Amino acid sequence: DTAVSQTPKYLVTQMGNDKSIKCEQNLGHDTMYWYKQDSKKFLKIMFSYNNKELIINETVPNRFSPKSPDKAHLNLHINSLELGDSAVYFCASSQEQGGQGHSPLHFGNGTRLTVT
Amino acid sequence: AQSVAQPEDQVNVAEGNPLTVKCTYSVSGNPYLFWYVQYPNRGLQFLLKYITGDNLVKGSYGFEAEFNKSQTSFHLKKPSALVSDSALYFCAVRPDRGSTLGRLYFGRGTQLTVWP
Repeated sequence: DTAVSQTPKYLVTQMGNDKSIKCEQNLGHDTMYWYKQDSKKFLKIMFSYNNKELIINETVPNRFSPKSPDKAHLNLHINSLELGDSAVYFCASSQEQGGQGHSPLHFGNGTRLTVT
Repeated sequence: AQSVAQPEDQVNVAEGNPLTVKCTYSVSGNPYLFWYVQYPNRGLQFLLKYITGDNLVKGSYGFEAEFNKSQTSFHLKKPSALVSDSALYFCAVRPDRGSTLGRLYFGRGTQLTVWP
């Protein structure tokens, strides 16, 4: 069973389009995240949700809008895609409540977004 | 500002030799410290963490890490490297010990290559 699953695995699209990436976790965790990994492998947090509530919202263009319909899902919608949005986007989850702040993150396998 | 440094972009070691992947950090207070590993086209996987207590922590796949408070370092080690250990390794810190909704700061990653 895949713990954190993302779809699609690959996404190739043209500038200006709108696209969504979906994420689901079956670990029962209460917190989910989106990370962006650039071409140099640098990882940067974008958003985190705890029990469907937005907790972390980094300096991300407002073209990026996360949506958490329930604790097990966190989707990422991107409007008006730009060349610079090309990257690998990782979803992750962790159990924060009762975890005392050191619960490890569980990552999905990523969505490779290519904007042409 | 919180920061995590992995001073080596690449570490090359022969199979059977010991390996060290370095990490130093600059964060406020007493952070939690983590190591993650990323294999090609996969998400990050948790290896080990330091919370408190013994400065030497043991993790998955025979890896261990040594916490040094005075040097603010958390180096990853393994006594005998395997070719299958070749991957990208990330050090991460979580500075908000008192909060369950803090964030992870990642280093830029170190590519470990183990030669047969």
